Amino acid sequence: DADVTQTPRNRITKTGKRIMLECSQTKGHDRMYWYRQDPGLGLRLIYYSFDVKDINKGEISDGYSVSRQAQAKFSLSLESAIPNQTALYFCATSDVGQGNGGAFFGQGTRLTVV
Amino acid sequence: GNSVTQMEGPVTLSEEAFLTINCTYTATGYPSLFWYVQYPGEGLQLLLKATKADDKGSNKGFEATYRKETTSFHLEKGSVQVSDSAVYFCALRSPGNQFYFGTGTSLTVIP
Repeated sequence: DADVTQTPRNRITKTGKRIMLECSQTKGHDRMYWYRQDPGLGLRLIYYSFDVKDINKGEISDGYSVSRQAQAKFSLSLESAIPNQTALYFCATSDVGQGNGGAFFGQGTRLTVV
Repeated sequence: GNSVTQMEGPVTLSEEAFLTINCTYTATGYPSLFWYVQYPGEGLQLLLKATKADDKGSNKGFEATYRKETTSFHLEKGSVQVSDSAVYFCALRSPGNQFYFGTGTSLTVIP
């Protein structure tokens, strides 16, 4: 099983619909992140959480919200989806105990808003 | 502030050619530096890392050296294979534990 699991892997939704992307991890990491990947733009940070009670906005948080239900679970919601939110979304984790360690990524969720 | 700039692609090489993908960074404090690889349809995987100046990260024949004086972390491989075809991302982790990524460089290796 993957250490960082995202569901669904693919989703097509209509403009105006609410959608939730889920992320769970078995790495025991405190820190979790949601990124968005667009061609030519790399990865942009949407939200991040350093523990269950800590939620922070990233550079492109408008139109998104998150919930950290437990140390292992971090979900991303689009309250009212719009076409320019069509993208590949990644969840990632990192370990506070290894201050110079890397981030670990899920397989991604490809979201299409029509 | 913190940012990462990497060379734009796409890059197309013949098998066994030498690869260099340039990466430069700006950072406050002393970041850790990373290269990630993304194969089609998959998430990013950590390829190598370096945590302080003059460190060399290496993995699967890839290498990168943390150059503080030139704020660079260029990725190199002496002889690429078709299986190396992927998108490569340079990244830094700031002392505040934020990750910053470059825009990615697509590499295609042809037989």
